Amino acid sequence: GENVEQHPSTLSVQEGDSAVIKCTYSDSASNYFPWYKQELGKRPQLIIDIRSNVGEKKDQRIAVTLNKTAKHFSLHITETQPEDSAVYFCAASLRGRSQGNLIFGKGTKLSVKP
Amino acid sequence: DGGITQSPKYLFRKEGQNVTLSCEQNLNHDAMYWYRQDPGQGLRLIYYSQIVNDFQKGDIAEGYSVSREKKESFPLTVTSAQKNPTAFYLCASGGYTYEQYFGPGTRLTVT
Repeated sequence: GENVEQHPSTLSVQEGDSAVIKCTYSDSASNYFPWYKQELGKRPQLIIDIRSNVGEKKDQRIAVTLNKTAKHFSLHITETQPEDSAVYFCAASLRGRSQGNLIFGKGTKLSVKP
Repeated sequence: DGGITQSPKYLFRKEGQNVTLSCEQNLNHDAMYWYRQDPGQGLRLIYYSQIVNDFQKGDIAEGYSVSREKKESFPLTVTSAQKNPTAFYLCASGGYTYEQYFGPGTRLTVT
C-alpha cells in the first residue's frame, strides 16, 4: 500500500541551530504535502504546506522543499527555539484514493536544548 | 481549528462496552475524518466522510462505526469488537483545499 516514510524519528539540536526533517512518499500522484506540529497531549497544528506545483515555500523561520522527481520533501526550521520542541508529522495527499485523504509519517520528536 | 470540538476529553470504559465519541465542527467543511494515534505512532485513518449521509472506511476501520447525518457532526462508536481500543482519538475536518484541521482529541482508556 501507499506509505510515507519520515526521518529521523528523534532529533536533538542546540537552541539557535537549524533542524531538518525529511519525508519520502511512494505515489507520484500526490499533490499536497502538509506539516503538522503536535505538542504533548495537544492536537496536531498545521504549520506549513506545499503543493506539487511549487518547489519551496517559506514562512518566517520555517520552510518546506519538495522534489517531485525524487518523491521527497523536507521541513527546515532555522534559529530553533525551545518552544519549537514538539513532534512533527509530515503527510501526503493521495489523489488515487479518495481525494483529500492524508497519509501521515510516524513523526519526528524534536528537542531544542537551551 | 478552534471550530472543531470533541467530547469528552477523557473517557474510561470497561471492556465489552460500546462507547461513542463526539465530533462537531462549525467551519462549514464538507469532509470529516477520524484518526487514531498510539504512543510513538503517526495518525492512522479510521473513517472519513466527504459528504452528508456518506462515509468510507479508512485503513483501520474494523471494530469502529460512524454516522454522518448532519454536516456539522461525525460521531465515532468504538465497539466491543475493537481489540485494542485504548488510544488517543482525533477528529479532523477539511474543505475543498485539502487542508485538514484537528479537534482537541479524546483519550479513551478501556480496562
